[in-house]
Amino acid sequence: DVVMTQSPLSLPVTLGQPASISCRSSQSLVHSDGNTYLNWFQQRPGQSPRRLIYKVSNRDSGVPDRFSGSGSGTDFTLKISRVEAEDVGVYYCMQGTHWPTWTFGQGTKVEIK
Amino acid sequence: EVQLVESGGGLVQPGGSLRLSCSASGFTFSRYAMHWVRQAPGRGLQYISVITRNGGFTYYTDSVRGRFTISRDDSKNTLFLQMSSLRPEDTSVYFCVRDDGAGSYDFWGQGTMVTVSS
Repeated sequence: DVVMTQSPLSLPVTLGQPASISCRSSQSLVHSDGNTYLNWFQQRPGQSPRRLIYKVSNRDSGVPDRFSGSGSGTDFTLKISRVEAEDVGVYYCMQGTHWPTWTFGQGTKVEIK
Repeated sequence: EVQLVESGGGLVQPGGSLRLSCSASGFTFSRYAMHWVRQAPGRGLQYISVITRNGGFTYYTDSVRGRFTISRDDSKNTLFLQMSSLRPEDTSVYFCVRDDGAGSYDFWGQGTMVTVSS
């Protein structure tokens, strides 16, 4: 199975400051169809996960534009340009390239300093 | 509005069985592959199983293969997970998730808690 490794696992941030989460895969996430199926999910405390980003950099409807995704191959990043209080939670990357064994990163806990 | 509502969780003894259900609405259920993902208390997300649109293909992660069975009833817009030989390490919130057909999950249920303990 593809192993997804996130860093850091804990990210204390100051309100209004940027935040960045790294996600690395043990194999390339470029699919034979040319797409890269790397996703980012946010899980707020007590809630189900919610998708923020799909195919590396595409924001879901309703996701604030302070969230952005980038990367290629095996190296990906989720950035929050200015952290707000509602961004507290755990963020997961997930690969959907290698069917059927999709895999998640360990999660990065974002908290306010 | 897409809705996925899981049910069937609860407390079960080690070695016991449980059947989870996921009732889907707001979309044409038969057109989507569906997955189960679980989350142990205080832990991360773990992919468990998938069933394709026509139910012709199923897959399980190693830790549940041979003990869990995924199925679907498209006439009732319902996804199932039959769990047997349950172990304490199966204790988790179980989420029903829709496969968007493009390498991702676009909708999640609220989850149902399964606790395996004597």
